[in-house]
Amino acid sequence: GAGVSQSPSNKVTEKGKDVELRCDPISGHTALYWYRQSLGQGLEFLIYFQGNSAPDKSGLPSDRFSAERTGGSVSTLTIQRTQQEDSAVYLCASSFGGAGETQYFGPGTRLLVL
Amino acid sequence: GENVEQHPSTLSVQEGDSAVIKCTYSDSASNYFPWYKQELGKGPQLIIDIRSNVGEKKDQRIAVTLNKTAKHFSLHITETQPEDSAVYFCAAGMSNTGKLIFGQGTTLQVKP
Repeated sequence: GAGVSQSPSNKVTEKGKDVELRCDPISGHTALYWYRQSLGQGLEFLIYFQGNSAPDKSGLPSDRFSAERTGGSVSTLTIQRTQQEDSAVYLCASSFGGAGETQYFGPGTRLLVL
Repeated sequence: GENVEQHPSTLSVQEGDSAVIKCTYSDSASNYFPWYKQELGKGPQLIIDIRSNVGEKKDQRIAVTLNKTAKHFSLHITETQPEDSAVYFCAAGMSNTGKLIFGQGTTLQVKP
């Protein structure tokens, strides 16, 4: 079946602009996760959704970052007033159940802030 | 705070040899340990995982061992093939949170 999809695959923006990144989880998966991967680094947890609620948003780096999930499916990660240090690959994952279940990752959105 | 250390950062082996990657975690409440393989330009793909009630798990050429007392877990790949070349990440998580804490990754190169 279809895996996790993310759009856009690449995004180039100017410093100070807002960006929206989209994630479509695997159908039927109730949990959704956002991670950030800087060049040559490991993955950094940002936020976790169970249904439309976010029980853990402890990884969001600043109040410029926000995320929402509607209808228990699609999620959008928004970065306001982008900075050059926001440049990274933003990865989304989903799992069938909640915490502790296998997380399946999408291909990521590569964000470059000029 | 929560931390996962992964070693080595790079590993080069000859085709057919074994490769071992080791991780150490800090949070003793962690009870779920997945391993991911990431190829260039792609998202991480789960290759094997282990939970804290098991000490070892094997799937064909891949095995993972867990020592909860020492807070260590390792990935073993036997009979390596060139297509095993990729970046491998370990992670630690808990059954009551969605967060996975990842290691920094190991770049494995298998020479034909």
